[in-house]
Amino acid sequence: GEDVEQSLFLSVREGDSSVINCTYTDSSSTYLYWYKQEPGAGLQLLTYIFSNMDMKQDQRLTVLLNKKDKHLSLRIADTQTGDSAIYFCAERPYGNNRLAFGKGNQVVVIP
Amino acid sequence: DAGVTQSPTHLIKTRGQQVTLRCSPKSGHDTVSWYQQALGQGPQFIFQYYEEEERQRGNFPDRFSGHQFPNYSSELNVNALLLGDSALYLCASSSAGTGLQTVGELFFGEGSRLTVL
Repeated sequence: GEDVEQSLFLSVREGDSSVINCTYTDSSSTYLYWYKQEPGAGLQLLTYIFSNMDMKQDQRLTVLLNKKDKHLSLRIADTQTGDSAIYFCAERPYGNNRLAFGKGNQVVVIP
Repeated sequence: DAGVTQSPTHLIKTRGQQVTLRCSPKSGHDTVSWYQQALGQGPQFIFQYYEEEERQRGNFPDRFSGHQFPNYSSELNVNALLLGDSALYLCASSSAGTGLQTVGELFFGEGSRLTVL
């Protein structure tokens, strides 16, 4: 089965880069996602990566995937105060309609 | 274009009561999934509805049931509420036309926060 693990808290200064890490266990997962949740709001899809890719860049976001270690990371360049939120990684196992989410990583951006 | 809307936004119930939460999917979407997010945790999949039938179910007891209507909106029902059912209940919609081999982006509502006393 799937089990997604994330670290809990990250504090970063505005303008610096922030890196959030995630590990997953289901090697059959075809897509891996990063979602953002701001206070009082639902989850918003930030980016995703297909399992046959190693890296994906999308403006300030860079996703790295290490399938051998089942490790996923999200780098946010030039972090802004609006990036303060909880970030969840999620996997979708092959042939599955559901997502398995990690516990989330709270990012606090200090002006 | 309205996104996913959920109601009510907040509600308080007591143990043993029953609750119904409602969700209207994003325009053009035909699939609705429900997730439970306990405080400090990630969302946990409850079930997914497509063509008015439960297509997939997570590890939740039968006290959790749902329904999808012909207009694709959905309800989540929880019977015999327990203190542990206190959580944010998130509805997410998607389009089945995207298929299992595509990204299958989920659009989430802001959730219904249930407190069980």
